Parts: sequence; structure tokens; C-alpha cells
Amino acid sequence: GENVEQHPSTLSVQEGDSAVIKCTYSDSASNYFPWYKQELGKGPQLIIDIRSNVGEKKDQRIAVTLNKTAKHFSLHITETQPEDSAVYFCALPRSQAGTALIFGKGTTLSVSS
Amino acid sequence: GAVVSQHPSRVICKSGTSVKIECRSLDFQATTMFWYRQFPKKSLMLMATSNEGSKATYEQGVEKDKFLINHASLTLSTLTVTSAHPEDSSFYICSAREDRGLEKLFFGSGTQLSVL
Repeated sequence: GENVEQHPSTLSVQEGDSAVIKCTYSDSASNYFPWYKQELGKGPQLIIDIRSNVGEKKDQRIAVTLNKTAKHFSLHITETQPEDSAVYFCALPRSQAGTALIFGKGTTLSVSS
Repeated sequence: GAVVSQHPSRVICKSGTSVKIECRSLDFQATTMFWYRQFPKKSLMLMATSNEGSKATYEQGVEKDKFLINHASLTLSTLTVTSAHPEDSSFYICSAREDRGLEKLFFGSGTQLSVL
């Protein structure tokens, strides 16, 4: 099955700085790469996703980049704000489309003002 | 995005009792829903795939008699933790994607189960 490694496990930045979280995967057939944000006591919220036919997608301060050759994808958050503090998870479909997602181990992002 | 509603958000029960958690897709149909479990400061672990009108598919190591799943309609799946024990205490989260073939998976708000 698919495997996904996420780094770093914790990340502390100052407000206004950028944050980057990276995930690597093993199955070259993977073609959908979502990122989730989870606040304490809540379910994960999809914040951005990308398909394998593009290399980058941006939504305001959030972007995801994909390097299919190196098998990694990254979440970029610019101009971080305290409300960005949360746990971020990358995920991959376990096998074919329509199946469950498997998740990375998560990154706890702390943005201090 | 699509909305997945999960209830209750928090439940405390005594050992030996059963607890039912509901997961509803509010504005879309979901033939398949997924149940995850999450321990404090850990990632989400897939427990089972809930299939409308048929038996759920459980992940290795998940007891199907302990965690009963019923997916009676295209918008509702329930997870019943039977004869709950303290080790069943956890955060349970359901998820669903729209039947029309999109890949986005949406999650409920989770249920914190505490078994005394």
C-alpha cells in the first residue's frame, strides 16, 4: 500500500514568516495530493489539493507544489498569522481513486505574534 | 465544500455500555463513508469503510463485533461502539466524498468518546 512521510513534526514561526511542510510518498501511481488543517477538538478541514497533472496550485496565502519525479509535495503558507496555528496533515489515496485516504503523521504549526 | 455532520461531538459513558455515533452527508449523497480513529497528538487511522446497503470493510486489527457500522441510506452511516471499555476512549471521525466521482474527502467534526 501507499506510504507517506511528513516533515517536520513541529514548526514554530513568527507571525508574517513563511512555513513549509513536506511529504514524500512511494507509489508513483499516486495522482491526488490533499492537505488538511486540524484545529484542536475538531475534524480535519481540506485546505488545498492538487492533482498530478499540475505542478503548483495557489489559494491566497496557501500553495501546494508537487514534484512527481522526486515523489514529494509541499504545503507553503506565506504571511503566517496566529490563526494558522494548527496541525497540518498531508494525505494520499490508499490505492485507486475513490478509496480512503491515508495520512501523514502531522505537523504542529505554531505561529507566535 | 460539502458538509458532513457528525453527532454527538462528545460522549461520556460507563464501561460496558454501547455508544452510537452518527455521520450524515448534508448536501450530497455518499455511497461510501469512512471511519477514522485518532489518539491524542497522533494521526488519523482508518478503521473501516462503510458501504451503503452492504457490509462494512474493516481494517486489519479492528474488531467488527466491537465497532458495528450501519450505512442504511445514502446520507447516513452510524458507528456503534459496543460494550465500551476505557481503551476505546478516543476521537472518532467520519468522512465522505460525493458520489459523482470527485476525489475530495470531507470530514465530520469528530466525536470524543470517554469511557469511564
